[in-house]
This record gives sequence, structure tokens and C-alpha cells, in this order.
Amino acid sequence: AQSVAQPEDQVNVAEGNPLTVKCTYSVSGNPYLFWYVQYPNRGLQFLLKYITGDNLVKGSYGFEAEFNKSQTSFHLKKPSALVSDSALYFCAVRDMTNAGKSTFGDGTTLTVKP
Amino acid sequence: DTGVSQDPRHKITKRGQNVTFRCDPISEHNRLYWYRQTLGQGPEFLTYFQNEAQLEKSRLLSDRFSAERPKGSFSTLEIQRTEQGDSAMYLCASSPQGLAGAGTGELFFGEGSRLTVL
Repeated sequence: AQSVAQPEDQVNVAEGNPLTVKCTYSVSGNPYLFWYVQYPNRGLQFLLKYITGDNLVKGSYGFEAEFNKSQTSFHLKKPSALVSDSALYFCAVRDMTNAGKSTFGDGTTLTVKP
Repeated sequence: DTGVSQDPRHKITKRGQNVTFRCDPISEHNRLYWYRQTLGQGPEFLTYFQNEAQLEKSRLLSDRFSAERPKGSFSTLEIQRTEQGDSAMYLCASSPQGLAGAGTGELFFGEGSRLTVL
């Protein structure tokens, strides 16, 4: 079985400050890890993914995420938050050997205040 | 626009009625997925197709639910004898198979079909 935990329902940061949205996962094999963002009344959009290689992956809109195998974590980060980053963020995991099911966390609402 | 499209975007129905949702994936993607999302929760996997073959089904998919992808292109998700607990956003996503076979690709989501069962 695979699972994802996003321990914070809500993250609030001030514009210009760094942000971190936390994610931990559980999967039987090697993981593929993903972050998606959902803006109000919009579909989920892919931000970035970890497949293999460097533990620090870079994605869209200046976001990056760090894969930590020993801590089974894949935290989303951005050095300087923008008000427009305010949205709902989902972490997802898929077993490398299974092309089917991706399991999503319950999401973290990020609010960036000016 | 060549993204994933879903129809209808909103559906209100009475308990006991049947509903059908359609998904048109990105044309070159051979994998198609259905997820369900309720308020405050992440998307929950329902089923997955590779071309026309339905390869995996969740236990969430009761016998009232059926999904098809007859020609490996668009897909339909039908819910028979709807119940109030079926009220949710039904999301469709597609992805390419990729060179590695199992695929490394992210999911490309449509904007969803919102079902309200009265």
C-alpha cells in the first residue's frame, strides 16, 4: 500500500519570505513523487516531480522540492513567496513499478500575505 | 486547446438517476485515469486505462460505477442509481506511457465534472 501525509492543512507566509510545504510518503518500492497545485475553480496542474537522480528538483514558477529517502519526505520549497502562489498544493506518490495508481495527500492551503 | 476536457462540468441529479461523464484526454496520451475528489480531501483513485484496456480498479468503484474507453481515445464514467454520497468532483487525467514502459510522467488533469445528487 502507498500513502501520503501532508501534516499541515494551512501554511501562511508573508510575501518575500521563504515557504515550505511538507510531505511524507510511504510506498513499498522506489517512489515517483509529484507536486500539483490547484487554483480556485481550476484543475490540478503539475509543478514538479522526482524520478531519480539529484535529490533537489526544480519545477515551475520557481518552486523546488527536496527528496529525502531516509526521512521519506518530499517537501516543497520556494525561496521567496509571491501573493500569486496562494493556492491548494497536493503531494502525490506512485510506485515506480506500477503505472497505475497515484496516491495523493489531502492538500495544504498556502496563503501568502502582502 | 489540446488539454484534457471533461463534460459536463456540472451535473445536478436526483437520487436514483443515472449519470454519465465524458473525458477526452490529450490525443497522444495512451493512459487515462479517473479520480474522485471531495471537499477537503485529495483526489482518490478510481480506475485507469491503458489504451482501451481497464487495468486497475479501486474498491471505491462499486458495482454502480462503470468506466469504458472503447477505442482507446475518450472515456466515459457512468454512475447508476446515484446516491447522495456520490456527490463529488470527478476528475479525469491522462499521461503518456513513456520510454520506460511503466511511465514516469505526471498526470494532466481536466477541470473536473462536479456531481450533486439531491
